[in-house]
Amino acid sequence: DIQMTQSPSSVSASVGDRVTITCRASQDISRWLAWYQQKPGKAPKLLISAAFSLQSGVPSRFSGRGSGTEFTLTISSLQPEDFATYFCQQADSFPQTFGGGTRVEI
Amino acid sequence: QVQLQESGPGLVKPSQILSLTCTVSGASIGSGSYYWSWVRQPAGKGLEWIGHIYTSGGTTYNPSLQSRVALSIDTSKNEISLRLHSVTAADAAVYYCARDVLRRGHDYWGQGTLVSVSS
Repeated sequence: DIQMTQSPSSVSASVGDRVTITCRASQDISRWLAWYQQKPGKAPKLLISAAFSLQSGVPSRFSGRGSGTEFTLTISSLQPEDFATYFCQQADSFPQTFGGGTRVEI
Repeated sequence: QVQLQESGPGLVKPSQILSLTCTVSGASIGSGSYYWSWVRQPAGKGLEWIGHIYTSGGTTYNPSLQSRVALSIDTSKNEISLRLHSVTAADAAVYYCARDVLRRGHDYWGQGTLVSVSS
């Protein structure tokens, strides 16, 4: 299985801050990486697919970069509604695997 | 708008079978080039992909669960089903169904259903 490692596991930030989350794959996954946002008691929401493709309706302050084994999700100016847990998922090979999550908190 | 809704017992006894159904609305699961996944999340933990099923009934499972899991599809009811055999406390989790766009992730999710395992 491909192991997905996210860092940091949690980050404290303020409204307006720039936040970057890193996801590393244990082997090359090309650009087949998705990012999700999850709020307590809710299902994950797809933010970005194929490393950098923003889903329809997702604010442009979210951006994704990377390829191969290292990827980043950046929130350019944190908003109150962005406080949540973020997961990466590799979609290159089976079984699909997720990172452990990064909690963005105040 | 595609919507997914999981349903099934919230409590399963150890060694018994966990059975869940996902009802899809807003799209016909019998058409289109989509897979339909099950993903679970133990309380306070991360996400685990269980497997997915295609319109044709073809399946791919997570090897960690392959010996105990079976997915099925009923296009006439627009439903996907999950059966997990011989459950233990480790199978307690919120179970989600989701539309799987393969290399582009899961774009629609159900709200999830909590399954506890206890005698």
